[in-house]
Amino acid sequence: DSGVTQTPKHLITATGQRVTLRCSPRSGDLSVYWYQQSLDQGLQFLIQYYNGEERAKGNILERFSAQQFPDLHSELNLSSLELGDSALYFCASSPGLADNNEQFFGPGTRLTVL
Amino acid sequence: AQTVTQSQPEMSVQEAETVTLSCTYDTSESDYYLFWYKQPPSRQMILVIRQEAYKQQNATENRFSVNFQKAAKSFSLKISDSQLGDAAMYFCAYRSRKGAGNMLTFGGGTRLMVKP
Repeated sequence: DSGVTQTPKHLITATGQRVTLRCSPRSGDLSVYWYQQSLDQGLQFLIQYYNGEERAKGNILERFSAQQFPDLHSELNLSSLELGDSALYFCASSPGLADNNEQFFGPGTRLTVL
Repeated sequence: AQTVTQSQPEMSVQEAETVTLSCTYDTSESDYYLFWYKQPPSRQMILVIRQEAYKQQNATENRFSVNFQKAAKSFSLKISDSQLGDAAMYFCAYRSRKGAGNMLTFGGGTRLMVKP
C-alpha cells in the first residue's frame, strides 16, 4: 500500500458524459501527478500540481481539467467523454519538488466509456 | 522532448534463472534520473530501482541491478534468481532534472513471464 488513495476504483459511463476522479496523496505530500495508461498511448503524464498550484502540464486534452484543493487532495475532471478516453488513470504523489523525490502511485481508477 | 523505448514487448524466463530487460532513451540533457517500475496484475505501479545519471556506479537492489551505459543511452534491468512473483509488466522511465515539473516519461513496457 503506497498511501495514495484513489476513488472510485472503477467507473463505467457513456460517451458525452462528465466524470470526476479523486486522489488523496500520502500524508504530508505536496505534489500530485496524474497519469493515463491506455492501450493506444501507453503510460503518459497528464498534469502536476504542487501545493494547490499547477506545476507542469503534459499531454492533457482540453476536455480534461484538474485541481488540487487546500487539503491537498486532487480531482481530475473528464468531460465530453469519448470511447478513446477509456483507460486506467493513476494519481501519484511526492513530498515536494526536490528532483530526487520518489513518486508513489495510487491503485488507479479504471474508466470505461461505452 | 525525451523518449524512452523498450524494444522487447514480451520476455520469458525460467524460475531461478536470470533475465535482462532492455531500455534505451533519447535526451540532450546530461543530468537526469532513470527508473524501472513493476506493474503486476493488480495494476499497482511499484518502483523497482532508480539510477542517477551523474553516478557512474550501477544501482543494485537485492536481486535487481541495472546496466547504465550513459554514452549509449541504454539502461537495462537484470533480474537474478527469477521468482514467480516477478511476473509483471516492467516499465522503464526517465525524469529530467530541468524544468518546472518532475514528471516521468515511460517506455511502452515489457511483459515478463516466469515459467515454473
